Amino acid sequence: DAGVIQSPRHEVTEMGQEVTLRCKPISGHDYLFWYRQTMMRGLELLIYFNNNVPIDDSGMPEDRFSAKMPNASFSTLKIQPSEPRDSAVYFCASSSTGTGNYEQYFGPGTRLTVT
Amino acid sequence: TQLLEQSPQFLSIQEGENLTVYCNSSSVFSSLQWYRQEPGEGPVLLVTVVTGGEVKKLKRLTFQFGDARKDSSLHITAAQPGDTGLYLCAGEFTSNTGKLIFGQGTTLQVKP
Repeated sequence: DAGVIQSPRHEVTEMGQEVTLRCKPISGHDYLFWYRQTMMRGLELLIYFNNNVPIDDSGMPEDRFSAKMPNASFSTLKIQPSEPRDSAVYFCASSSTGTGNYEQYFGPGTRLTVT
Repeated sequence: TQLLEQSPQFLSIQEGENLTVYCNSSSVFSSLQWYRQEPGEGPVLLVTVVTGGEVKKLKRLTFQFGDARKDSSLHITAAQPGDTGLYLCAGEFTSNTGKLIFGQGTTLQVKP
């Protein structure tokens, strides 16, 4: 299996611009998670989906952040407008109910820099 | 709010030394997982423990789940530079939600 795929790997943008991060989960997995990681705050859960439906978005910082999962093989996290404090590494992860313990498999991450 | 506390936050040791990392909570875990993250990569699952008192071994790594399922430890014997990385524990507190709560992590540096 190819594992979780994220794109782009690096993104540098100016404050106020729209940023879209993309994720392809492992085929057959029914859960998808978006995390943000910084030195100060560690790994934070932003939102997660089950069978393409958002279950918990309480970690989304504010209305500038939105996430969609139009089908089982694709999800996006959008920031509009972006701000310097959004600079972080964003991870997508997927898991399967079938394993019983919900082990999560992470993508390589997108390093976002907002100047 | 369910929290996981990991200790120590940072650890710098010489090759060949032993070390233990701890993960604690005031709540009971349904299951607990340990991940290792190397620079520039995503976390990678090492092990899952589900039964109180359970011990699992992965080469030089020994994972233990507390009897009350509120704590866990990771012990590394004869650490090697390849063990360098960020170690994260993650707990599932409520069965069947799919959601994990991650600790802040322990950054381990093993010097040759």
